[in-house]
Amino acid sequence: KAGVTQTPRYLIKTRGQQVTLSCSPISGHRSVSWYQQTPGQGLQFLFEYFSETQRNKGNFPGRFSGRQFSNSRSEMNVSTLELGDSALYLCASSPVLGYEQYFGPGTRLTVT
Amino acid sequence: QQQVKQSPQSLIVQKGGIPIINCAYENTAFDYFPWYQQFPGKGPALLIAIRPDVSEKKEGRFTISFNKSAKQFSLHIMDSQPGDSATYFCAASIGGATNKLIFGTGTLLAVQP
Repeated sequence: KAGVTQTPRYLIKTRGQQVTLSCSPISGHRSVSWYQQTPGQGLQFLFEYFSETQRNKGNFPGRFSGRQFSNSRSEMNVSTLELGDSALYLCASSPVLGYEQYFGPGTRLTVT
Repeated sequence: QQQVKQSPQSLIVQKGGIPIINCAYENTAFDYFPWYQQFPGKGPALLIAIRPDVSEKKEGRFTISFNKSAKQFSLHIMDSQPGDSATYFCAASIGGATNKLIFGTGTLLAVQP
């Protein structure tokens, strides 16, 4: 099976812009979670989706949002970008909730 | 209570040595404890995971030891190789209705030839 894929892999944006990141889970996986990874804060949970419903949300401002489509693919959006949003954004998928999660390679976002 | 404390921050061992990475948690509702390995420029890769009903789990050269009463768990890498040089993260979650993982701060492991 193909692994979790994320696009784009690298992105450079300017403060104030918005960005949309995409995640395609492993075939058959219905749960997708998003994490932000920075050197200072480590790996932090953003949100998770299962069957197109957001099941849980981390402690991030409302500028961070996401959605899941009927084919389990997911997108996350960050509006009004700030310099501190520069990070590696990771997507993970699992067959159902409470099961092993497998991460994609991430999208490296740089905000200038 | 949601934290997972990981130590050491970095570790250097010789090839063939047995690095040990430790994690501790407070939330007794956690019932799923995975370990991830991350190489530079890559996403974390699931290595091995354990649930509190067992005290030890082995997969290849990787072993998790779990102490429920002490709320601690650790990763042992047997016969470590230079290719094991990576950052290792422990994590915890409340299984069942969520996949939300609380991660430790990571351990940078260097295995010298």
